[in-house]
Amino acid sequence: DVKVTQSSRYLVKRTGEKVFLECVQDMDHENMFWYRQDPGLGLRLIYFSYDVKMKEKGDIPEGYSVSREKKERFSLILESASTNQTSMYLCASSLIDNQPQHFGDGTRLSIL
Amino acid sequence: QKEVEQDPGPLSVPEGAIVSLNCTYSNSAFQYFMWYRQYSRKGPELLMYTYSSGNKEDGRFTAQVDKSSKYISLFIRDSQPSDSATYLCAMSVVRLQGAQKLVFGQGTRLTINP
Repeated sequence: DVKVTQSSRYLVKRTGEKVFLECVQDMDHENMFWYRQDPGLGLRLIYFSYDVKMKEKGDIPEGYSVSREKKERFSLILESASTNQTSMYLCASSLIDNQPQHFGDGTRLSIL
Repeated sequence: QKEVEQDPGPLSVPEGAIVSLNCTYSNSAFQYFMWYRQYSRKGPELLMYTYSSGNKEDGRFTAQVDKSSKYISLFIRDSQPSDSATYLCAMSVVRLQGAQKLVFGQGTRLTINP
């Protein structure tokens, strides 16, 4: 079974802080993704990566950056956290192009 | 207009009923169609994955794709209280290279009453 692990289930941070969300997959998947999920807005793609050190912007990249130094790990960085970044953050991975994405259980992030 | 439309519900049915969940879409280039199930405080779990048109069956679940109508469905037979969850449809175009970008529906919240 595919295992996508997000390091924290719940996180509380203050505005202006730099926040790191970590995601690890154990199936040697090429592609990794970061989404945020908000009521009424559904899942929205923030960034994705199709290879180590390669990244591409999704639909809502503003205020975020990512890092993929190793194939199994994909980090989402909130450069200066703001209250409108309070959300559920979901990481996903897929084996290769046009293969289904598998999700982790999410990090519920609150910015106070 | 959103690329993918899905009625958010909530939908409440008695145990044992047949459930029909639907999504419509506007982009005729979509070729891959997925259904995910999401329990409260958990991530989405892949239920069904289909390419192009037709039906796919897996146990009590059947996925249908009608590309001429730009309409996809998920049927759940003999519904159980454990099927209570939010169901998300998702779809994508074929990419020759690079990762597949999914477009999600808003999700339908389903409750199966014992």
